[in-house]
Amino acid sequence: QQPVQSPQAVILREGEDAVINCSSSKALYSVHWYRQKHGEAPVFLMILLKGGEQKGHDKISASFNEKKQQSSLYLTASQLSYSGTYFCGTEIKNTGNQFYFGTGTSLTVIP
Amino acid sequence: DVKVTQSSRYLVKRTGEKVFLECVQDMDHENMFWYRQDPGLGLRLIYFSYDVKMKEKGDIPEGYSVSREKKERFSLILESASTNQTSMYLCASSYGTGYADTQYFGPGTRLTVL
Repeated sequence: QQPVQSPQAVILREGEDAVINCSSSKALYSVHWYRQKHGEAPVFLMILLKGGEQKGHDKISASFNEKKQQSSLYLTASQLSYSGTYFCGTEIKNTGNQFYFGTGTSLTVIP
Repeated sequence: DVKVTQSSRYLVKRTGEKVFLECVQDMDHENMFWYRQDPGLGLRLIYFSYDVKMKEKGDIPEGYSVSREKKERFSLILESASTNQTSMYLCASSYGTGYADTQYFGPGTRLTVL
């Protein structure tokens, strides 16, 4: 029931865009996104509660396609500070709020 | 700011030793979690506690036990450490009644079992 993230790793140059996908085999109630910088604790980025919802702050945004049981995280005009490992977390429908973190995506931004 | 602290950043133990990892949160959160983080496998839940003395098994509880005697403290115990338990261990806490509330993580303990 753990969601699968793709790609597993990506290297970008500053200013480039990236998309990280999170795919579940189960119907989802919500999707959360976290970022973990190297050597630090994961930090909450955002939560998407409704199918079709899109959210964002700065140049990081996300969408939630409830029908496809997928979410995507969009990083535009990437900055060095975006480097880290990104995790999605999925709350599974009809399971009493069972929640699973994804497999993680390592993102490295180089000058 | 919520603060979650873990007793050690790095720990080296020998096979068969009993290992205690401690986690303390200062925000009166009901929920506390223990995860292990491995490359390519993401974060996997070991145990979850929703109240003092209450616990639920996560996805990979085998070889681990937990203790929550006080609300702010959640301990992970490896009864007899094995090399396949070498990993990064992350503790988290959240306010609320379910798994899916925003979780606040500690910095992690990198455990090596020789």
